[in-house]
Amino acid sequence: DGGITQSPKYLFRKEGQNVTLSCEQNLNHDAMYWYRQDPGQGLRLIYYSQIVNDFQKGDIAEGYSVSREKKESFPLTVTSAQKNPTAFYLCASSIGGGRSSYEQYFGPGTRLTVT
Amino acid sequence: KQEVTQIPAALSVPEGENLVLNCSFTDSAIYNLQWFRQDPGKGLTSLLLIQSSQREQTSGRLNASLDKSSGRSTLYIAASQPGDSATYLCAVRGYSTLTFGKGTMLLVSP
Repeated sequence: DGGITQSPKYLFRKEGQNVTLSCEQNLNHDAMYWYRQDPGQGLRLIYYSQIVNDFQKGDIAEGYSVSREKKESFPLTVTSAQKNPTAFYLCASSIGGGRSSYEQYFGPGTRLTVT
Repeated sequence: KQEVTQIPAALSVPEGENLVLNCSFTDSAIYNLQWFRQDPGKGLTSLLLIQSSQREQTSGRLNASLDKSSGRSTLYIAASQPGDSATYLCAVRGYSTLTFGKGTMLLVSP
């Protein structure tokens, strides 16, 4: 089955530790995205990548880092510099980015709790 | 900066009613508009995608319209069912990225 997988579903970390969230897609999509969702707020874009080895900051990139070494993988690292890391993190992909008008597809999400 | 507003924030209806969810956006320079459904603790499921050149899209009991010049979209759900209970999100596509509204939480009671 084609789709986007995120692991783990739930993640618990102590304050001050870095943590990496996994996102894998087998849809052969060029573009991938990371969003954060907090209660009462819409989804906010953290980082996006339109092609392998290239990525851009979104609206709330501070305290996060990404890499895009393979087309199918776009891991997100939440660093200790992120002041409020507890949130629901969603990964998405689309056939293309830029001026294209393709549909975005979402993974099941990872709920991160930092105490 | 693009802003997306969804009204109402929450809606409770009895089963069988037809209903309308509203979405407005401030910048009409969009490539498309997507409606999503989100169940509690889950990811987003794409319901309908309307390209900027289109006026509406239909899928089963769902119909979405787009008026780009006035910055508005509506999602019409016909003959609502308890299984339609979820949060509905509207998102507009600018260059490269989507901007989301905060969603409408829908509860359909039997």
